[in-house]
Amino acid sequence: EAQVTQNPRYLITVTGKKLTVTCSQNMNHEYMSWYRQDPGLGLRQIYYSMNVEVTDKGDVPEGYKVSRKEKRNFPLILESPSPNQTSLYFCASSSGPNQPQHFGDGTRLSIL
Amino acid sequence: GENVEQHPSTLSVQEGDSAVIKCTYSDSASNYFPWYKQELGKRPQLIIDIRSNVGEKKDQRIAVTLNKTAKHFSLHITETQPEDSAVYFCAASMITGGGNKLTFGTGTQLKVEL
Repeated sequence: EAQVTQNPRYLITVTGKKLTVTCSQNMNHEYMSWYRQDPGLGLRQIYYSMNVEVTDKGDVPEGYKVSRKEKRNFPLILESPSPNQTSLYFCASSSGPNQPQHFGDGTRLSIL
Repeated sequence: GENVEQHPSTLSVQEGDSAVIKCTYSDSASNYFPWYKQELGKRPQLIIDIRSNVGEKKDQRIAVTLNKTAKHFSLHITETQPEDSAVYFCAASMITGGGNKLTFGTGTQLKVEL
């Protein structure tokens, strides 16, 4: 089954404790993105990537890092999480530029 | 950067009526405009999209129109049904050196009442 898999689905953690949210897709897609969703603000793109070792900042990259060492994986790293990063996070992939995004099921992060 | 505004934020219609959601964008470099539906607790899913070289696209009860000159695009749902109740997001997309930059609107909560 074609899918985008995120882990963990839920996480409660404390300020300053480094965490990584993994994202993997099995569709051989070159394009991948991370979004955060907050009430009243919609989806905001954090980082995006068009291929291995090619990434770029979206609209809200502060406090986040990404890496793209393999085509199928695109982890999101919070080096020193803060409470304002409490949010619902979605990873997505697409087969090419300006193609539909396939979203994962989301990761709900709570940072205390 | 790109800015996408979406209206209304909430929309309530009677079953069988039409619903219209409008979006505007600011950057003429945007050339792909998808619409996503998100049911409560679920992931966003694409319902229709339109590219900048097309003015209108229809898929059964759903249609999207694009006015490049005015930088606005709209979603039209006809003969609404209760299962259309969800949050709808518009987005504007452009290609950059790093990939695909998408900017979403803030969403419209559509409620279809019986």
